Amino acid sequence: EAGVAQSPRYKIIEKRQSVAFWCNPISGHATLYWYQQILGQGPKLLIQFQNNGVVDDSQLPKDRFSAERLKGVDSTLKIQPAKLEDSAVYLCASSLGRQGFTEAFFGQGTRLTVV
Amino acid sequence: AQTVTQSQPEMSVQEAETVTLSCTYDTSESDYYLFWYKQPPSRQMILVIRQEAYKQQNATENRFSVNFQKAAKSFSLKISDSQLGDAAMYFCAYRSVGNNDMRFGAGTRLTVKP
Repeated sequence: EAGVAQSPRYKIIEKRQSVAFWCNPISGHATLYWYQQILGQGPKLLIQFQNNGVVDDSQLPKDRFSAERLKGVDSTLKIQPAKLEDSAVYLCASSLGRQGFTEAFFGQGTRLTVV
Repeated sequence: AQTVTQSQPEMSVQEAETVTLSCTYDTSESDYYLFWYKQPPSRQMILVIRQEAYKQQNATENRFSVNFQKAAKSFSLKISDSQLGDAAMYFCAYRSVGNNDMRFGAGTRLTVKP
């Protein structure tokens, strides 16, 4: 079974530039999460999709961050314009999303450095 | 919103010894799931063990076991016979049943000494 795919693995941009991350979840997984993990901290949920609908985006800085999940499969997370404090690892995860005891599977993340 | 607290930023253990990582959480829900994830330097989060809140029996996976105290809202991870490959960041996570919302603690960095 293929895992959660993310690209790129690394990205360096200057502040005020824009950047986009891509995530392909495990086939059949209805729930998709984007997390921001700042160095030395635990992952912070940015947005959660159930199929192509947003379940929770309460911690997404909507003035600069946006995310979409077209057709309930792949997802992109965009930052525009980037700030220095956006430097972090962005993790994508997916789960079956059914009622029941299902775990989330994670991709390897994208390390973003804003200079 | 639910919060997860890991009060030990770093822990170390001698190879072959046992170590316990602590986790507490705050919730008003009666049914939920709890997880321990391991994050090695490669960054990929790997599930270690999971527990359903309605089950009183503590989960066990080989050398890994949990001590789940629902009333105290405590969920600690015990690693027995520690191995060098156990060295990693360990994150405790809480997931709501209703909306699959998943929250993580700040993590504990485990060092295993040979």
